[in-house]
Amino acid sequence: QKEVEQNSGPLSVPEGAIASLNCTYSDRGSQSFFWYRQYSGKSPELIMFIYSNGDKEDGRFTAQLNKASQYVSLLIRDSQPSDSATYLCAVNWGAGNMLTFGGGTRLMVKP
Amino acid sequence: EAGVTQFPSHSVIEKGQTVTLRCDPISGHDNLYWYRRVMGKEIKFLLHFVKESKQDESGMPNNRFLAERTGGTYSTLKVQPAELEDSGVYFCASSRQSNTGELFFGEGSRLTVL
Repeated sequence: QKEVEQNSGPLSVPEGAIASLNCTYSDRGSQSFFWYRQYSGKSPELIMFIYSNGDKEDGRFTAQLNKASQYVSLLIRDSQPSDSATYLCAVNWGAGNMLTFGGGTRLMVKP
Repeated sequence: EAGVTQFPSHSVIEKGQTVTLRCDPISGHDNLYWYRRVMGKEIKFLLHFVKESKQDESGMPNNRFLAERTGGTYSTLKVQPAELEDSGVYFCASSRQSNTGELFFGEGSRLTVL
């Protein structure tokens, strides 16, 4: 069974700090990895994707992938209160967009 | 550009009744997906349409669920008869391509079965 695991949190960080969100997945055959952000009562929104081992940076966000350890993370630099949301890790194991989601980590950035 | 819209935003029904959820994808998106999140669980895939054809319905829980996308535009998801365990948030998503993982989600339809 393909599974994606996340700590549900809440993860609380002060404004301006780095928030580190982590995700592990069960199957080495995983193809691609995604981070979605979901504000309460709103739709999940894609913020980062990564396909290859290493780091991928986009503005204040960095996604890190380690396929050998089956681990993907999201770093948010200079965290802002507006970053407070639930962050969903998702994995695509093959063709099509059948994503397997983790349960999400709730991030709270305190002013 | 309008996003993915879902209706109703919240539905409360009694066990045994029927509910139909509707999704309007982003214009031009051939791919349409249904996902759902039941209480305390992660978001799970239900099925995938490419235009009007079901590409993958491996996530549909049982035959009480029927999804349609006549004409390849909007989609409906009918639950008949509804059971208590069907309560949750049903998300629709659409995408232009089918292999990028970049899905555009609607805000979901919350279903409560009493």
